[in-house]
Amino acid sequence: DGGITQSPKYLFRKEGQNVTLSCEQNLNHDAMYWYRQDPGQGLRLIYYSQIVNDFQKGDIAEGYSVSREKKESFPLTVTSAQKNPTAFYLCASNQNYGYTFGSGTRLTVV
Amino acid sequence: GNSVTQMEGPVTLSEEAFLTINCTYTATGYPSLFWYVQYPGEGLQLLLKATKADDKGSNKGFEATYRKETTSFHLEKGSVQVSDSAVYFCALGVRDYTGANSKLTFGKGITLSVRP
Repeated sequence: DGGITQSPKYLFRKEGQNVTLSCEQNLNHDAMYWYRQDPGQGLRLIYYSQIVNDFQKGDIAEGYSVSREKKESFPLTVTSAQKNPTAFYLCASNQNYGYTFGSGTRLTVV
Repeated sequence: GNSVTQMEGPVTLSEEAFLTINCTYTATGYPSLFWYVQYPGEGLQLLLKATKADDKGSNKGFEATYRKETTSFHLEKGSVQVSDSAVYFCALGVRDYTGANSKLTFGKGITLSVRP
């Protein structure tokens, strides 16, 4: 079955550490996205990529970085510069408005 | 810019009650409109969509009509079930000038709880 796989499901990070969230898709979609979800704030766009080797900042890119070396993969790194990283992170892919979401990674800073 | 406004929540209903969740939008260009549903601990699933004015999206007993004159896309269901308890997001997408896929803009979401 085609879909998006996010890993890990739960992630704990110590303050000052960088951490990378994985997102892999086998849908052959060109576009991929990272959203952050906080209670009462809906989904906010962090980064997106419409094609391999290209990506754009979203609304809240500060403290995050991404890469898109392969069509299937769009990892997100949460750096130590992100002041409040505890949140639920969702990855999505899209082809002509056929958006598919992963099941998310819950990141907690301890 | 693009924005989506959803009614404040949470909403609690008894089983078999009628559901309306309001959604209004502002957008440049000609947006497509979506409703997504999120069950606890999961990602978002597309519930229904409409790509042009007066289109009606429908799925699993839910309906929403794209009203350009009122810039709205309200979600309705005639008889809710306990299994409909979830968070519901309204979203819009507008293709960019190249015609390429657009990033979605989401409302804040609303939590629906249905009591037996």
